[in-house]
Parts: sequence; structure tokens; C-alpha cells
Amino acid sequence: NAGVTQTPKFRILKIGQSMTLQCTQDMNHNYMYWYRQDPGMGLKLIYYSVGAGITDKGEVPNGYNVSRSTTEDFPLRLELAAPSQTSVYFCASSYTTSGRHYEQYFGPGTRLTVT
Amino acid sequence: TQLLEQSPQFLSIQEGENLTVYCNSSSVFSSLQWYRQEPGEGPVLLVTVVTGGEVKKLKRLTFQFGDARKDSSLHITAAQPGDTGLYLCAGGGAGSYQLTFGKGTKLSVIP
Repeated sequence: NAGVTQTPKFRILKIGQSMTLQCTQDMNHNYMYWYRQDPGMGLKLIYYSVGAGITDKGEVPNGYNVSRSTTEDFPLRLELAAPSQTSVYFCASSYTTSGRHYEQYFGPGTRLTVT
Repeated sequence: TQLLEQSPQFLSIQEGENLTVYCNSSSVFSSLQWYRQEPGEGPVLLVTVVTGGEVKKLKRLTFQFGDARKDSSLHITAAQPGDTGLYLCAGGGAGSYQLTFGKGTKLSVIP
């Protein structure tokens, strides 16, 4: 299994441009998440999904959109890039253990710079 | 809002030394997970603890969940350069598929 894969690895955007960050998992996990990580600030949840067709906002959703048409894919869309969106973005997926504890598996990240 | 405070924020030690990092909260969690993140990579799950007072060992790493399930610690014995990385703790609520992450402890082990 490849686990969670993300593309691209790096991207530089100009202010106002749009892009989609791709995320795919091959573990048949129902739950998927998008986080951003800024230096010294930990992981902030942007959006999450509990299954195909179902998405919801996390802690910092402004400026982003998501869709979940299949179990495997969970793309993150930036419509009008702003310098505040310069960050490292991580996609994760999880399953529920027998004890109902959700252990998350992360992709390698996308480093985005908006100038 | 549940918060997890990790300390210290940075730690630089010599190879062979022991160290402990802490993860504290005023909230009760049903589970506490520890992740390690290497530069340029995503976090990787190390362990999950679920019972108050629980201790788990992973080679030279010892994880403990506080009796009240509000805090946790990670102890590393005889640290090696390969232990270098960002250590993140994350708390889960009962039946919740979302995790609350701490800001992390950045560990550097100098050969």
C-alpha cells in the first residue's frame, strides 16, 4: 500500500491564483482530513470528511474548499491565493480501532508559497 | 476548546543522554497519541495510550498517560541522532474522529 499520497510536493503561487492540492489514500479509510502547519503553531484542521459526499469545516476553513466524491480522494482547493496561505499542508486519513480511537495516517505534505 | 500544551518547545541534547517531554491539558481525553515528524515529512504515529496510568514501551521510548487522562509524557533513554525530530502529542475525545494537536517539541540529538 502507498498509504496517503499528496501532490504536488512544492508549489509557488502568485497572489490571486488558484490551485488544487491532491490527496489520495489506498487504505479504504472513511475519515480524511486537511491540516496546515505553520512554524511553532502545530497542526490546524482546515476541513474534514467522514465519508464520500460528506465534508465539514474545521478550525481554519476560510479561503479553502474541499470535495469528496470517492473514498480515496480528498482534494483541497484554494480559489484566490493570499500570502497568509503560505504554509505546509498535510492530508491525513484515519480508521476506527476496536476501541473507537482514531489513529491518523499522514501524507508527506505540500509546501506552498504565495508571493 | 481543548488545548494541549507541550514542553519544552525545543530540546538539544548529546547522544546517550536521557530526556522527557511533556504534554498537558486541563481537559480529559479518551486517548492520547504521540507522533514523530522528521523534516520534510508528515507526522508518523508512534503510540496510542487509552487508559489512565497506562505505560507503553517502544524500544528506548516510554510513554505514560496520566491517571486523570489529562497529561502524558514521553521518555527517551540513551537518545540517538535518529531520534531527532518534532514530537507531537494529540488528544482524542470519546468517539471523536478529530484530534487536538499540541504545538510539538523539537528535539535535536547531537552526535
